[in-house]
Parts: sequence; C-alpha cells; structure tokens
Amino acid sequence: AQKITQTQPGMFVQEKEAVTLDCTYDTSDPSYGLFWYKQPSSGEMIFLIYQGSYDQQNATEGRYSLNFQKARKSANLVISASQLGDSAMYFCAMRGANTGTASKLTFGTGTRLQVTL
Amino acid sequence: NAGVMQNPRHLVRRRGQEARLRCSPMKGHSHVYWYRQLPEEGLKFMVYLQKENIIDESGMPKERFSAEFPKEGPSILRIQQVVRGDSAAYFCASSPQRQGNYGYTFGSGTRLTVV
Repeated sequence: AQKITQTQPGMFVQEKEAVTLDCTYDTSDPSYGLFWYKQPSSGEMIFLIYQGSYDQQNATEGRYSLNFQKARKSANLVISASQLGDSAMYFCAMRGANTGTASKLTFGTGTRLQVTL
Repeated sequence: NAGVMQNPRHLVRRRGQEARLRCSPMKGHSHVYWYRQLPEEGLKFMVYLQKENIIDESGMPKERFSAEFPKEGPSILRIQQVVRGDSAAYFCASSPQRQGNYGYTFGSGTRLTVV
C-alpha cells in the first residue's frame, strides 16, 4: 500500500519569502513518481512539479523546487519568493510502478498555504 | 487546445435521484481517471478507464456507482440513488499513456450537492 503524509494542515508565509511544504511517503514499490498539485479556492487541480524516484537531480519548475530525500522518504515542496497568488491548498501525491499502483495517484490530505503582505 | 472538460461544474440532486458526470479527456489522451474529493480531504482514486474498458475500479463503491468510457463520446460517472454522503467534488484526469509521468491533467471538477 502507498501512503502520503502531509503533517502541516496550514502554513503562513510573508510575501517574497520562501516556504517549505512537507511531504513524506511510504511505498514498497522500487520505482515511483511524486507529484505536487495546487488547488486554489476556485477548485481546479493544477500540476506543479514531478520527481521520479530514480531521477538524479531534484526537480525544479520556475519558483517551485522539490527537495527529494529518498532515504528519508520525503519530497518537500519549496516555493521561493512567495506571491499572494500562491495562497491555496497544496497536495502531495505519488504513483507506483506495479500493477496495482501504477494507474492511480495517492494523495495526502493537503496543506493550506496563506501568503500575507 | 482544450484541456480536460468536465460538466456540469455544479450539480444539485435530491436524495434518490441519479447523477451523471461527464468528462472529455484532452485531445490525444486515451486514458481517463476519476477521483473524488470529500470536503477538507485529498483526492481519492475511484476508477481508471481506457476506451470501452474498465482497467482498475478498485476505488469505486460496490453499489450505485458505475463508470464508462465509450468508443465515441465522453467518459461518464454515474451515481444512482444518490445519498447525502455522495456530496463531493468529482475530478476527472486524463493521460496519453498508462503511466503518466507528466500527463495527469485534471479537469476543473464537478461539485455534486445532494439535498
């Protein structure tokens, strides 16, 4: 079974500061993928960043970077230079590689980020 | 270049009625996934379909819920005899291949309210 744990139900960050959203995972699959999604108040799910378990380097996409520590089974999202528009729910998710886990994403419970002036 | 299209955006049903949620995948995507999000929770996988085939329905409730992805037309998630506990946001995602590394594109969701 796969499990994603997001222990921060809510976070505050000041505009222009960096913030780290925590995500730990558990899986028995030797190969897997990790995703972060943003869900603003309007409700849609916006893909942010992907990290493969065998990728040599941490993923980066603009102001988003993924701090992947395989031994610790953590995949924290770092948002640099926060903007007011970053206020949203953020979900960490994973996909396995085996028959039962390759076709679905397992999501965490999310972290609500509020960016303040 | 339309993304994943879901309709309706909002759906209100009385207890006992049927709800039909539609999802048109992105152009070129032949794999469709349905997820349910209860209030203040993350998304939970329901079912994975390809054209005319259900590949994985391990997350579907055993009763009242069904899904299809016909050769022509959108994927349909059907909920029969809805109950208050079915109130949730239902998201559809599509990908061009089974293991979508970057290809999980989600629609905007359908918010179902059962009154």
